[in-house]
Amino acid sequence: DADVTQTPRNRITKTGKRIMLECSQTKGHDRMYWYRQDPGLGLQLIYYSFDVKDINKGEISDGYSVSRQAQAKFSLSLESAIPNQTALYFCATSDRRDNEQFFGPGTRLTVL
Amino acid sequence: AQKVTQAQTEISVVEKEDVTLDCVYETRDTTYYLFWYKQPPSGELVFLIRRNSFDEQNEISGRYSWNFQKSTSSFNFTITASQVVDSAVYFCALSEAWGSAGGTSYGKLTFGQGTILTVHP
Repeated sequence: DADVTQTPRNRITKTGKRIMLECSQTKGHDRMYWYRQDPGLGLQLIYYSFDVKDINKGEISDGYSVSRQAQAKFSLSLESAIPNQTALYFCATSDRRDNEQFFGPGTRLTVL
Repeated sequence: AQKVTQAQTEISVVEKEDVTLDCVYETRDTTYYLFWYKQPPSGELVFLIRRNSFDEQNEISGRYSWNFQKSTSSFNFTITASQVVDSAVYFCALSEAWGSAGGTSYGKLTFGQGTILTVHP
């Protein structure tokens, strides 16, 4: 089984809808991250969490919110989706002693 | 602020050619990590290498090699005798090391924009 899982893997939604992307990990890591990938722009950090009570905004947090329900779960919400949020979203985890990040398989989101 | 630049947007080679992907970075820290990731057409991110700022020794792993030069802030990636399966997007990334001064930026990755490598048969 994969160490970092993301659900759903693909989602098509309409403008204005609320969407939640979920990430779970079995690696026992305390740090979790959400990134967004747009073509030609690499990955940009949306939010990161160093533990359950420590959540921080990244480079492009506007229009997004997160929830760290447990050490193993970190959800990303789009309160009112808009078309320019169409992108590939990655969750990642790392251990506090080692900054190597382990990525989930990605969620492809399309907002019509 | 951290910055990573991959000047080559797309590279196209014929199988068995050698190819070098360039990566230049900017950071104020003296302690940091550099990474390369591969993203094949299937979309997942595959970790290739991590290098800390105190280790400038070049590394070779099979057909892959990496050249880290602090003097020019570069961390270039070379594929020798390229194969069609090497076709992918390659990302260089920079992370301030855990425990570095300056607050809560530990562990975050700053990615370059990626280089699309196409290897033709």
